[in-house]
Formats: sequence, C-alpha cells, structure tokens
Amino acid sequence: DTEVTQTPKHLVMGMTNKKSLKCEQHMGHRAMYWYKQKAKKPPELMFVYSYEKLSINESVPSRFSPECPNSSLLNLHLHALQPEDSALYLCASSQDIPALSNSYEQYFGPGTRLTVT
Amino acid sequence: AQSVTQLDSHVSVSEGTPVLLRCNYSSSYSPSLFWYVQHPNKGLQLLLKYTSAATLVKGINGFEAEFKKSETSFHLTKPSAHMSDAAEYFCVVSERWGGGNKLTFGTGTQLKVEL
Repeated sequence: DTEVTQTPKHLVMGMTNKKSLKCEQHMGHRAMYWYKQKAKKPPELMFVYSYEKLSINESVPSRFSPECPNSSLLNLHLHALQPEDSALYLCASSQDIPALSNSYEQYFGPGTRLTVT
Repeated sequence: AQSVTQLDSHVSVSEGTPVLLRCNYSSSYSPSLFWYVQHPNKGLQLLLKYTSAATLVKGINGFEAEFKKSETSFHLTKPSAHMSDAAEYFCVVSERWGGGNKLTFGTGTQLKVEL
C-alpha cells in the first residue's frame, strides 16, 4: 500500500476560524512532510517530521501549527489565517535512512484545497 | 545548494508523437533525481527516480529518463504521447536534510496533448 490519505478534500474557513488538516500513511514511513502549493507553482516545503519530531520548519508563520501524534498521523492546525494562505496543502511521507545513502522518494497525498475568506 | 531548471514551461505535442521534457540539475555531488506528475487538482505521483544505479531509468506509463552527468541533464521522454499524459511535470532533486529528505522542485512543465 503506497497510499497517503488527506482529509478533508476541500475546506473553506474564515479568518477567525480554527481548523485542522489531517494526513495518514500506513507504509511504515518515519518522515512526514507538509507542503503548500499555489496555483501554477511547484510545492513549497513547510515542515518535516522525523520519528515524530519536528526537524524542519521553513520559517512558516505561527498561524500554522503542525503536530505528529504518532508515526502514521500528521496534522496541521490552522488559526487566524489570511486570504493569501488559500492554496493546496499536500502531505507526503518517505522512508528515513539513518546511514548515508541515496534518498528515497516521497509519496504524496491528494491534498486539501483550502480557501480562506 | 542543489537546484533544477526545467527548460520549457509549456510543451505541446500531438497524440502518438514523442514527448521530451527537459531538465538540468546543479549539484555538488551525485544527486538523487525524480520526475513527478500532477494532474489537475490532484497530488503528485512519482513517475521515476534516479539514485546512481542505471543511468537510463524506466518509469510508469511508458516514461523514461536518462541521467547524463557530463551534460548535467535528466530529460524525460516517452515514445508516444497519450491524451491522459496531459498534466504538469516536475523535475526534482533530493538531498538528505534533518532526518528526511528535502526536495527541490523545478518550476514545472505543462504538457498539452492534442488530437
């Protein structure tokens, strides 16, 4: 099973709302990622979790708060977002390799289309 | 720092004709390279990957890519385009970073397939 699932598929929220995006994988991957993708642009990395610990935060505003409750789940909590945060939010996972070796591919979910009004 | 350059933002081909999507990379050491495809309003799907084994890499749906170190290129090809190949294609270079791997994406090539 090489599937990464994301819920919800679509989300519309006001600037004062609090909502969460969810991501799940059952491939035994220990690295999980959040990306933001604007229309006609490549994905931009937001966060990386490795063994349930946050290892990379790409200077993302604090209105985005990631959480990794266990090795299969990744959440992104949203609060006080701005209209420019409207985008497709993609989750991905990959194997983590402790020794120096070639990188493994990332498997992407279908994304959550977020609209902030 | 690693980077990739996709030389064409848009490519248009007729169904049944060959596809060539060009990618050049910059890396200080032997890179891991990938091609991903994204259909409208969908996530990214891995087409193929190069990780320093064979230089000619075969992927899904009849796509293949050749790693040419002397030219720092990793072009994606397919002998015969199908309507279902119309999508956005991303060339990606990977580096180990913080316990995972960090992907650097090219700007994408929009492939249009015409009847």
